[in-house]
Amino acid sequence: GAVVSQHPSRVICKSGTSVKIECRSLDFQATTMFWYRQFPKQSLMLMATSNEGSKATYEQGVEKDKFLINHASLTLSTLTVTSAHPEDSSFYICSALRTSGGAGSQYFGPGTRLTVL
Amino acid sequence: AQSVSQHNHHVILSEAASLELGCNYSYGGTVNLFWYVQYPGQHLQLLLKYFSGDPLVKGIKGFEAEFIKSKFSFNLRKPSVQWSDTAEYFCAVNSGGYQKVTFGTGTKLQVIP
Repeated sequence: GAVVSQHPSRVICKSGTSVKIECRSLDFQATTMFWYRQFPKQSLMLMATSNEGSKATYEQGVEKDKFLINHASLTLSTLTVTSAHPEDSSFYICSALRTSGGAGSQYFGPGTRLTVL
Repeated sequence: AQSVSQHNHHVILSEAASLELGCNYSYGGTVNLFWYVQYPGQHLQLLLKYFSGDPLVKGIKGFEAEFIKSKFSFNLRKPSVQWSDTAEYFCAVNSGGYQKVTFGTGTKLQVIP
């Protein structure tokens, strides 16, 4: 159990365009999802916490107008990279929080490789 | 603010050797602790977790970790590694009641047949 999917797995776009990445929890409901960036040879950097039915909470230094997050249902969160630039090229990973007895574990999606030309 | 440090960045072991990966965190309150594994070309998977109770936690594939509160540590161990354990291992922590998880920088384990 606890499967999280991401779509697309890989996307190449031109500079200035917008890209939407979907994160779905397939076998559980997640009121909270997280979006991360992973740079080569570095750890995951939390970008934002996505809460179903409310605004996302962004980490310091992350532009909320550039990285739009929508958590429209208990199984879906989307990240839209608006007006993408080459420096936005990265590996984006989402996770969904599965809670049990008040504590929770994050289950990760397979990631999306974004390349901006 | 909570932080996590993993001291070993790259570990190379022969098959059947014992493994211990260090993880220390800084947070004075109640914590939940995790180890995640990322096999080559795959996504992060939960290896084991500690929320409360027995400080010795057993996970999948023969891994275990011990929470030592006095040392702020949560080291990962396996008595005998296999080539298939080659992966990157991430320690993570979140403070009780707060869902944001902080990850360590990861340890790459390479097991030589």
